[in-house]
Amino acid sequence: DIQMTQSPSSLSASVGDSVTVTCRASQTISAYVNWYQHKPGKAPKLLIYMATTLQSGVPSRFSGSGSGTDFTLTISSLQPEDFATYYCQQSYSTPPYTFGQGTKLEIK
Amino acid sequence: EVQLLESGGGLVQPGGSLRLSCAVSGFSFDNYAMTWVRQAPGKGLEWVSEISETGDSAHYADSVKGRFTISRDNSRNTLYLQMHSLRAEDTAVYYCAKLESKTWFDYWGQGTLVTVSS
Repeated sequence: DIQMTQSPSSLSASVGDSVTVTCRASQTISAYVNWYQHKPGKAPKLLIYMATTLQSGVPSRFSGSGSGTDFTLTISSLQPEDFATYYCQQSYSTPPYTFGQGTKLEIK
Repeated sequence: EVQLLESGGGLVQPGGSLRLSCAVSGFSFDNYAMTWVRQAPGKGLEWVSEISETGDSAHYADSVKGRFTISRDNSRNTLYLQMHSLRAEDTAVYYCAKLESKTWFDYWGQGTLVTVSS
């Protein structure tokens, strides 16, 4: 199975900051990475699919990059509603659809 | 508007069974594969199972293989997860999600909590 190693596990930032979350796959997965936002008690939300494509309705301050084994999610100009946990997921070799461990973004 | 609504969660004893349902609306259910994902307390997201559009193909995480069965009723726009031989480590919020292009999960339900405890 392909493993997804996400870092950092937690991150503290202020409103207006720019932050980056990284995900590394255990083998090359082309661009088959998706990013999700999850808030407690809510449904997870798709942000980015196929590494770089912004899901409809997602603000443009979210962006994704990478291919092969290394991927990043960048949130520019953090807003109060962006504080949540973020997950990467690979869909290159499935099943299983492996998720990263998650990155909890907290307010500084 | 796309909606997915899970139900059927609750408290069950170890070794017991439970069936989760996911009622879907807002899209052509029989055109999409569907999936279940869970989140144990304090843990991350874990993919559990997927089923094809017609229901003739299904896959499972190793952690649930042989104990859980995914199914669907396209006439009722409903996805199911039958869970047997439940263990404490199956305690989690279970989410159903729509699988787009068999690659990403674009719509999710709010989840239903399953607690396995004596």
